[in-house]
Amino acid sequence: SQTIHQWPATLVQPVGSPLSLECTVEGTSNPNLYWYRQAAGRGLQLLFYSVGIGQISSEVPQNLSASRPQDRQFILSSKKLLLSDSGFYLCAWSSSGRASYEQYFGPGTRLTVT
Amino acid sequence: AQSVAQPEDQVNVAEGNPLTVKCTYSVSGNPYLFWYVQYPNRGLQFLLKYITGDNLVKGSYGFEAEFNKSQTSFHLKKPSALVSDSALYFCAVRVIKAAGNKLTFGGGTRVLVKP
Repeated sequence: SQTIHQWPATLVQPVGSPLSLECTVEGTSNPNLYWYRQAAGRGLQLLFYSVGIGQISSEVPQNLSASRPQDRQFILSSKKLLLSDSGFYLCAWSSSGRASYEQYFGPGTRLTVT
Repeated sequence: AQSVAQPEDQVNVAEGNPLTVKCTYSVSGNPYLFWYVQYPNRGLQFLLKYITGDNLVKGSYGFEAEFNKSQTSFHLKKPSALVSDSALYFCAVRVIKAAGNKLTFGGGTRVLVKP
């Protein structure tokens, strides 16, 4: 079966510091990968998605970037964090085949920028 | 552009009573619709989906949803709610003609089931 991991689970970082969040998927190959941010325990905002290694699509201009160095690894980064980057970050994957379209989410990372 | 709306910020229901969480959608073409549940400080869990076929879709934890094309709705239902069903529920629609199975999510509905 497939599993998705995210780490760290929680993170407290000062303004201006760098960020690296990691997401890995097991049990599938060539997945579509996604980064979302959820603010105030409510709506989801799609930040980035990737359909393959090195292929990153950005949904909104922001202080963040994403990379996919390996097939099942997705990294969210920032060079200098802003207070507004605080939130709950969720990674998700979906099959690249046509058999299913749903996304499966990781446990999330709670980021607090102080 | 595709969109989904969840008109209720919160739904309160007594344990044992029926639970309904509303979702309406706007999409050109045939919609692919999804429901997710999120417990506090956790990721979203997939409940069920409608792609094609029967309008009544059954999913996890006793939930079901009814696809109504004429009303452009996809309401989530459970015949008898449990206190453990208290959570945040999201409706989503697949973005048509977009690479990578992108989904558009509604704003979420918080469900509170009281003992």
